[in-house]
Amino acid sequence: DAKTTQPPSMDCAEGRAANLPCNHSTISGNEYVYWYRQIHSQGPQYIIHGLKNNETNEMASLIITEDRKSSTLILPHATLRDTAVYYCIVLDSGGGADGLTFGKGTHLIIQP
Amino acid sequence: ETGVTQTPRHLVMGMTNKKSLKCEQHLGHNAMYWYKQSAKKPLELMFVYNFKEQTENNSVPSRFSPECPNSSHLFLHLHTLQPEDSALYLCASSQRVGGNIQYFGAGTRLSVL
Repeated sequence: DAKTTQPPSMDCAEGRAANLPCNHSTISGNEYVYWYRQIHSQGPQYIIHGLKNNETNEMASLIITEDRKSSTLILPHATLRDTAVYYCIVLDSGGGADGLTFGKGTHLIIQP
Repeated sequence: ETGVTQTPRHLVMGMTNKKSLKCEQHLGHNAMYWYKQSAKKPLELMFVYNFKEQTENNSVPSRFSPECPNSSHLFLHLHTLQPEDSALYLCASSQRVGGNIQYFGAGTRLSVL
């Protein structure tokens, strides 16, 4: 029962902005959108999260639509080291002891 | 550097061996997790610890035995494993149990021959 839908793969040129979409049309009012990424042979890495406002940190920006049914992760100046699988997940604020569950994510390939 | 260190990074063991995976976190977190990531499969939660107490065991076979002597250290003891147990084993920590921001180690790539 997938809560999010992401394209399986995307390419982006080095130095350009990478825009990764995510659909979460069944998101409920207390659920946040979280993004993680996993570089090959490493553990997942937290990137950013948001509820309804746009968010920015040193790694990325997160744009959430007004109806909250979709979002876009933006890496403003992609580098080769940003090649990874990017996971979009929705989680409620209370969390739980069930751990994180990632779907298949988007394999982002940064081209030189 | 995520603040979560796992050793060894790679491990090859026979089915009759006993080995241990180690995880240490330097973040002052109270919750620690073991996950398994098999090829082409999503992340699977194995164990959860909160302040050294195990709070979750996701029907993991007894050939995997976790140990959490304090809130900074976590071990996974392995014995009589099967080839299908070959996978990337990931340790993570969060400020509290069920925390949605988890910090992962680089993992131990385990091969069972």
